[in-house]
Amino acid sequence: NAGVTQTPKFRILKIGQSMTLQCTQDMNHNYMYWYRQDPGMGLKLIYYSVGAGITDKGEVPNGYNVSRSTTEDFPLRLELAAPSQTSVYFCASSPLMGTYEQYFGPGTRLTVT
Amino acid sequence: AQKVTQAQTEISVVEKEDVTLDCVYETRDTTYYLFWYKQPPSGELVFLIRRNSFDEQNEISGRYSWNFQKSTSSFNFTITASQVVDSAVYFCALSGGYGQNFVFGPGTRLSVLP
Repeated sequence: NAGVTQTPKFRILKIGQSMTLQCTQDMNHNYMYWYRQDPGMGLKLIYYSVGAGITDKGEVPNGYNVSRSTTEDFPLRLELAAPSQTSVYFCASSPLMGTYEQYFGPGTRLTVT
Repeated sequence: AQKVTQAQTEISVVEKEDVTLDCVYETRDTTYYLFWYKQPPSGELVFLIRRNSFDEQNEISGRYSWNFQKSTSSFNFTITASQVVDSAVYFCALSGGYGQNFVFGPGTRLSVLP
């Protein structure tokens, strides 16, 4: 099992550009999450999904969009990138929401200049 | 609202010393779950332990142990005989009974010096 995979690993964007961060899990988990981790800080939840077709906002959703068309994939879309979105982005999945640990991907380091 | 506090921003110890990382949480849920994760310098997040609110038994796993006390809303993590490989950022996290409001603490950076 590959677990949770994320692409790309690194990306530099110019202000105003858009991009999609990809996340795929092969564990058949219903629940998936996107977090951002700013330098020296903890993780903040951006969006989460309880299953295909169902998504909801987390603590810091502004400037991002998500979709969940399949159980495996949970892409995160950045529209009109801003320097404040410079961060490391982690995708995670879990078999049950909250009651089980989350399995994390390796992260995507994004710089917006 | 749920909140996790890790008051120790950074800790440095010398190898073989014992070290305790503090975690204090706030929640109004009667059912909740607590977690510890490790983030080594390579950046990935590694799950260490999960504990539900109805299980206050302490747990030991090798050199790691966890002390859960509902009376003080604390879920502290102790590393015995620390090793250089324990150097990492450690996060405590809390979720509600239905998984809502999964919240991470700010993390404690542990440096174990040889």
